[in-house]
Amino acid sequence: DQQVKQNSPSLSVQEGRISILNCDYTNSMFDYFLWYKKYPAEGPTFLISISSIKDKNEDGRFTVFLNKSAKHLSLHIVPSQPGDSAVYFCAASAGGGGSNYKLTFGKGTLLTVNP
Amino acid sequence: NAGVTQTPKFRILKIGQSMTLQCTQDMNHNYMYWYRQDPGMGLKLIYYSVGAGITDKGEVPNGYNVSRSTTEDFPLRLELAAPSQTSVYFCASSYSRGWELFFGEGSRLTVL
Repeated sequence: DQQVKQNSPSLSVQEGRISILNCDYTNSMFDYFLWYKKYPAEGPTFLISISSIKDKNEDGRFTVFLNKSAKHLSLHIVPSQPGDSAVYFCAASAGGGGSNYKLTFGKGTLLTVNP
Repeated sequence: NAGVTQTPKFRILKIGQSMTLQCTQDMNHNYMYWYRQDPGMGLKLIYYSVGAGITDKGEVPNGYNVSRSTTEDFPLRLELAAPSQTSVYFCASSYSRGWELFFGEGSRLTVL
């Protein structure tokens, strides 16, 4: 029973273009969403987050959009750079107040940015 | 600044053996976690701790035990290893609820 779904196992884009990574969730109790990036042989690193009271959060080249009615969020990377090539995990938590001590992760999407 | 340190990075176990994965953090974080990642899957929470002396089960705790005697250390014990425990294990920590998790580099365990 996957509560957080990343239906695209991989995505390939050209350098300088936009990368859009998608994530769907089924648990309506989720109220805090995060994206993590993972390089091979390293642990995941936090990228950006969004609370359910917002529909958009921006940090430099990274923007996360949340559509609560559709239970869908997306991560936009503009412009994409070769160093962005990594696995991106969507994660969600429930409990209010941004309590992210119990995260449910998606399976991840491998992003490849071609020079 | 070391962050979250896990040892060992790689280990091969025989079925029925036991071992402990070590995790230590130097950020004075209250919350610590153990996740496992199976091939092609997301991370699943095994155990977590909200402070020294306090631990609780996550989503997949069977076959594992933890302890938290200090703020810095959160070892994960595997008793009677089984092939189903072949996975990459990640330890993580956070300052408190609502704060980002910092992950270690992972420990790859193979049970044959």
